[in-house]
Parts: sequence; C-alpha cells; structure tokens
Amino acid sequence: DAGVTQSPTHLIKTRGQQVTLRCSPKSGHDTVSWYQQALGQGPQFIFQYYEEEERQRGNFPDRFSGHQFPNYSSELNVNALLLGDSALYLCASSRSYGYTFGSGTRLTVV
Amino acid sequence: AQSVTQLDSHVSVSEGTPVLLRCNYSSSYSPSLFWYVQHPNKGLQLLLKYTSAATLVKGINGFEAEFKKSETSFHLTKPSAHMSDAAEYFCVVSSGGYNKLIFGAGTRLAVHP
Repeated sequence: DAGVTQSPTHLIKTRGQQVTLRCSPKSGHDTVSWYQQALGQGPQFIFQYYEEEERQRGNFPDRFSGHQFPNYSSELNVNALLLGDSALYLCASSRSYGYTFGSGTRLTVV
Repeated sequence: AQSVTQLDSHVSVSEGTPVLLRCNYSSSYSPSLFWYVQHPNKGLQLLLKYTSAATLVKGINGFEAEFKKSETSFHLTKPSAHMSDAAEYFCVVSSGGYNKLIFGAGTRLAVHP
C-alpha cells in the first residue's frame, strides 16, 4: 500500500523563478495539506485542499498557491522565489482524521 | 489560539536510560494532541495521539505520553532509550474544524552508547 508520494525529492531554483511541487495522497485519502519546514524549525501549515478547493490557509503570501485534481493529487506552486523559501515542503493526506506525511521535497533557492 | 511549546530544544541520554521530552500546550477547548518523530531525510511518523479518551496514551516503539489538563502538559516518555530513537520529535496540537496541525519547534534527541 503506497503511502504519500512527493516529487521531486530535491530541487534547486534561482531567486525569482517559479516552482511546482507534486503530491499523491495515500490510497483512500481525499484531503491534502501542505507544510513548510525551514531548517531547524517545526513544520508550518500552508494550506489544505478538499474537493478541489482550498479549504483553509495559513499565514503565507499569495505567492504560494495550490491545486487539487479529481484524483485527489495536489500541486504546490510558489512564484517569485525568495531565498527564504528554501525549506523542506511536506505533503500530508488524510480522510476525516489521521494524517499520513510524505518524505518531502527539499527546495533550495540560490 | 492554540499553540504548543517544547521546553527543550536538545535532549541527550545514554542508551538504556529513560527518555523525557516535555511539551506544554495552549488551547481554548479540549485539544487533540500528537507526538511525531522525524528521522534524518525522512517524513514525519506518528508516535501516538490523544483524542480525549484515556489520559495515558501508548504509542509505537515503547513510547507513551500522559495528558495532564491541570498542567496543560503532554510529555513524551520511554523507559529505556535505544540508539535508533535518535531523531527529531515534534509535539503537535490539532486546531479548528479542519484539524490543521500546529507543530512545536521540535526536540532533538541524541542517544549515546
């Protein structure tokens, strides 16, 4: 049984560029949440998607956007990258309760 | 607003000795609380969760935590540390109707031979 799959695992981008991260949820899960984990810190909630709509959003600028597809997979897009966007981005899927986390995408902005 | 505070950023123990990782929470109503572990270059793994049932919660790998409402604490313990327990541990509270997770800053556990 596949858990949460994230791609790519590592990514290096230049400041000002745009990036798309992808997440496939665990089988049977219909909700996807994204978290940003800066080095040495706990994960911070970015937003949550359910039924292809953004249901809840954390304190992140509009440069961060997302999408959920009919098969429940999700994308996280970040525009106009800043050095401070360098972090581990974690995807978590759930159904009503109980989260399963992916291993994350390590984004480095240079 | 809900929040969690992990009282120690680093904890170091010897193999075979007890582990105590401390967490205090703030919540305006009865919270759901979790402990997650993160090994290097790995995702987050759920150790245990408290959802208003028994106050002493048993988790995986011999870990347990006790919910103390009077002290607003949810400390994680293990009787005997193993080398494989070395990792980052996060205390987490679930917030709001959509169960957004709010993480503490983490405690890095080092286990020495």
